[in-house]
Amino acid sequence: AQSVTQPDIHITVSEGASLELRCNYSYGATPYLFWYVQSPGQGLQLLLKYFSGDTLVQGIKGFEAEFKRSQSSFNLRKPSVHWSDAAEYFCAVSRRNSGGSNYKLTFGKGTLLTVNP
Amino acid sequence: DADVTQTPRNRITKTGKRIMLECSQTKGHDRMYWYRQDPGLGLRLIYYSFDVKDINKGEISDGYSVSRQAQAKFSLSLESAIPNQTALYFCATQPGTSLEEQYFGPGTRLTVT
Repeated sequence: AQSVTQPDIHITVSEGASLELRCNYSYGATPYLFWYVQSPGQGLQLLLKYFSGDTLVQGIKGFEAEFKRSQSSFNLRKPSVHWSDAAEYFCAVSRRNSGGSNYKLTFGKGTLLTVNP
Repeated sequence: DADVTQTPRNRITKTGKRIMLECSQTKGHDRMYWYRQDPGLGLRLIYYSFDVKDINKGEISDGYSVSRQAQAKFSLSLESAIPNQTALYFCATQPGTSLEEQYFGPGTRLTVT
């Protein structure tokens, strides 16, 4: 069965500092990987996704993530954090069906990001 | 207008009551999903549907049922609500034929007293 681990429950950074949120997955085949963000009281918004190809993926709001197969990781990074980035971040992996499309997301438990002024 | 809507947005109900949460979408997607979110647990899949005639259980379907009334509508029912079903519930949609992400609704906060 697929699983996702986000080792950090809560991270605090200063505005302008760099950020890296960790994500490790367990899946028996090539994974489809996602990062979602949930602002307080809001639904989930997709930041970026990896299906294949270039292992460094660019997303919205200045975020990027790197897929490392050897480490089963898909860490999210941002070079300079803004106060508006304070939110909860979820890494997710989805299964691939026989037709090659993806379904059934499995989420990590989330990392809450606090940004200090 | 939002592509994925959920009603109600907030609901307080009593133990033993039947309650239905509704999800509607205008995206024309075939696949729809119901998740629940609990603090510290992330999102967990309750049920999913690939089309009107296809309903599948997720990892935590006990105590829940669903109905796919049309391509655009997917309802989640709690036949007899219990306090540990207090959670934030999300509906999501996804195109059926390509590599695409899931699109989430705004959520329904359900409290069972």
